[in-house]
Amino acid sequence: ETVMTQSPATLSVSPGERATLSCRASQSVSSNLAWYQQKPGQAPRLLIYGASTRATGIPARFSGSGSGTEFTLTISSLQSEDFAVYYCQQYNNWLQTFGQGTKVEIK
Amino acid sequence: EVQLVQSGAEVKKPGESLKISCKGSGYSFTSYWIGWVRQMPGKGLEWMGIIYPGDSDTRYSPSFQGQVTISADKSISTAYLQWSSLKASDTAMYYCARSSSIVGLVVYWGQGTLVTVSS
Repeated sequence: ETVMTQSPATLSVSPGERATLSCRASQSVSSNLAWYQQKPGQAPRLLIYGASTRATGIPARFSGSGSGTEFTLTISSLQSEDFAVYYCQQYNNWLQTFGQGTKVEIK
Repeated sequence: EVQLVQSGAEVKKPGESLKISCKGSGYSFTSYWIGWVRQMPGKGLEWMGIIYPGDSDTRYSPSFQGQVTISADKSISTAYLQWSSLKASDTAMYYCARSSSIVGLVVYWGQGTLVTVSS
């Protein structure tokens, strides 16, 4: 099983600032990496797939990068609606796994 | 429009059985994998397993193998998650999640079913 480790656990950011979230895989997942956003009381929402492709309707301020074992989600200028928990997920094989999440909170 | 509509919240006692459902619409139900994801209170997302309704091919995460059963009835476009004997530690929100053409890449989510197990 591929273990996904996200850092930091919590990120305190002011509106308008940049946020950088990291995700590391215990073995290579190629570019089979997705990012999801979850707000309280809601189901997760797909943001990024293929490590760097934005899903339909996702604003350009969200970008993803990386391959192999190291990945990054960048939110270029945080808006009020972006404060949420973010999960990375590898889908390199059917036994997909999630990271433990990074909470982005208002500083 | 693709929709996954889950059954309502449940309150059960330890040792009871339970089957929750997820009805798909707006797409060919037999053509895409559907999975189940657990989220315990205040915790992260855990992938439980997946099923391909077209042929009922089912796979479980090792942590959930033997603990739950995933099934599907393609005649009514519905996937199921069931327990034979609930424990208090099964208390969680459960989401069904439909993959894209790539297994495991979830584009569509159900609204979640809250299962509470308490004596």
